[in-house]
Amino acid sequence: EIVLTQSPATLSLSPGERATLSCRASQSVSTNLAWYQQKPGQAPRLLIYDASNRATGIPARFSGSGSGTDFTLTISSLEPEDFAVYFCQQRRSWPLTFGRGTKVEIK
Amino acid sequence: EMQLVESGGGLVQPGRSLRLSCAAAGFRFNDYAMHWVRQAPGKGLEWISGITWNSGTIAYADSVRGRFTISRDNAKNSLFLQMDSLRPEDMAFYYCAKDRSSTWFEAFDIWGHGTMVTVSS
Repeated sequence: EIVLTQSPATLSLSPGERATLSCRASQSVSTNLAWYQQKPGQAPRLLIYDASNRATGIPARFSGSGSGTDFTLTISSLEPEDFAVYFCQQRRSWPLTFGRGTKVEIK
Repeated sequence: EMQLVESGGGLVQPGRSLRLSCAAAGFRFNDYAMHWVRQAPGKGLEWISGITWNSGTIAYADSVRGRFTISRDNAKNSLFLQMDSLRPEDMAFYYCAKDRSSTWFEAFDIWGHGTMVTVSS
């Protein structure tokens, strides 16, 4: 099973700041990685698929990069609605696995 | 509007069974693979099962293999999860999720709101 390690666990930032979230895989997943956003009481929402492709309707301030074992989700300038938990997910091999999440909170 | 609506959750005793359903609308259901993903309260996400468009490929997480069965009825735009021999550790919100792909498992681009399963005596 591929283990995804997300860091940091919590990121405290102010609106307008840049957020950089990391996801590291225990073995190469090529670019087979997705990112999701989840707000309290809501289902997750797909942000990025295949490491760097924005899903439909996702604002351009969200970007993904990386390949192999190291991946980054960047939010260029935090909006109030971006404070949430973010998960990465790999599809390189079964079982599909998620990271434990990074909480982006208001500083 | 594309949407998924889960039903069938509730309180069940350990060792008993429960069947979850997911009704799809707003997209061609039989064009896409589908999944079940669960989340224990306050915890992370766990993929538990996926099924391709024609049920030709089915996969399970180790934690549920042999106890849970995923199925779909394309004529009724519905996805199902039969859960047998339930354990306390199965207690979670269960989400139905649509895949971006029809023939493989990629990413989950549409999610339902979830249905809660509580396993307790």
